[in-house]
Amino acid sequence: SQKIEQNSEALNIQEGKTATLTCNYTNYSPAYLQWYRQDPGRGPVFLLLIRENEKEKRKERLKVTFDTTLKQSLFHITASQPADSATYLCALEHGNNRLAFGKGNQVVVIP
Amino acid sequence: GAVVSQHPSWVICKSGTSVKIECRSLDFQATTMFWYRQFPKQSLMLMATSNEGSKATYEQGVEKDKFLINHASLTLSTLTVTSAHPEDSSFYICSAKQLGSTDTQYFGPGTRLTVL
Repeated sequence: SQKIEQNSEALNIQEGKTATLTCNYTNYSPAYLQWYRQDPGRGPVFLLLIRENEKEKRKERLKVTFDTTLKQSLFHITASQPADSATYLCALEHGNNRLAFGKGNQVVVIP
Repeated sequence: GAVVSQHPSWVICKSGTSVKIECRSLDFQATTMFWYRQFPKQSLMLMATSNEGSKATYEQGVEKDKFLINHASLTLSTLTVTSAHPEDSSFYICSAKQLGSTDTQYFGPGTRLTVL
């Protein structure tokens, strides 16, 4: 069956450190993968998109890697700040621009 | 840019009534809009894909007669939950894909539906 797995445990991290989140998937062949941020009671906010032929993408303090052999994406927030505290969602394309989402991984940045 | 709005932001209704939720792309044209549902601590689940001027495509297990979708213009899609029941209580979120752009979907702020 198809699965998208993100760590269910919250990641508590000290301000200024790098937070690293993992997204593993099974039985998908996504043309691209996206990362979103979601705050409680709000819709997801787009952060980064990475395509199957790209290894790495960066945007300001964010970095995403995509390994189609391992079927894994890593999401990094460098120099983390308390304002980065949120839930981060991994989403895979699975045909006709449809997205399948993981459950998300909560990040708590401690001042 | 790429702002998507939803109205209402929350709604409480009695069981058996119908509720309409609007999704608008404010500063761009969207040929395709998507409707999702999210239960507490769960992932977003795609319900249907809505293309302007054509019938929506529903995901497996989603009742098209219960969740009516209309995409009458390039900036507006509506989702009507017909004869709502308590189990339909959820967070409904739409997203829009910009005409001619990359594959990014921009999400609305969501609508919290509570059916009593």
